[in-house]
Amino acid sequence: DAGVTQSPTHLIKTRGQQVTLRCSPKSGHDTVSWYQQALGQGPQFIFQYYEEEERQRGNFPDRFSGHQFPNYSSELNVNALLLGDSALYLCASSLGADQSTDTQYFGPGTRLTVL
Amino acid sequence: QKEVEQDPGPLSVPEGAIVSLNCTYSNSAFQYFMWYRQYSRKGPELLMYTYSSGNKEDGRFTAQVDKSSKYISLFIRDSQPSDSATYLCAMSSWDSSYKLIFGSGTRLLVRP
Repeated sequence: DAGVTQSPTHLIKTRGQQVTLRCSPKSGHDTVSWYQQALGQGPQFIFQYYEEEERQRGNFPDRFSGHQFPNYSSELNVNALLLGDSALYLCASSLGADQSTDTQYFGPGTRLTVL
Repeated sequence: QKEVEQDPGPLSVPEGAIVSLNCTYSNSAFQYFMWYRQYSRKGPELLMYTYSSGNKEDGRFTAQVDKSSKYISLFIRDSQPSDSATYLCAMSSWDSSYKLIFGSGTRLLVRP
């Protein structure tokens, strides 16, 4: 049973560029959440997608956007990259219909470096 | 003040010791409490999931939640060098269970 997968593993971009990160959820899961984890910090919630809609959003600017496809996979897009966007980007999947069982399982992450 | 506070460590213990990891929080609406383990340059791995107050045991791991004190703990018995990692507490509220709020993590080193 495949767990959560993310691509690419590492990415280097320059300031002002745009980036797209990809996530495939764990088999049977229909909900994808994205988190940003800066070095030495805990993950911070960016947003969650369920039924191809953004269900909830954290305190991140509009430069961060996402999409969920009919097969439940998801993309995170970041525009106009800043040095401060350098972080590990984590995708988590869950079965989102029931809040009480919304246990999130994380992928290995994509490490983004902005130069 | 952060919603969830966690001592960053590092916490260094000898193999076989009992480890106690803790988090405090300020939001009384939190109902769901989790502990994740994260190895260097990897994604967090779910260890324990607890709803509301009480204890939960799974093998060498015990999670405790004291909502009256806004305090949660993770105990690791018979610690092993393979337990060396960063431990993250996370929590969410009933009306926003999708959004996990994490502590900053405690680094644990178990010495052989």
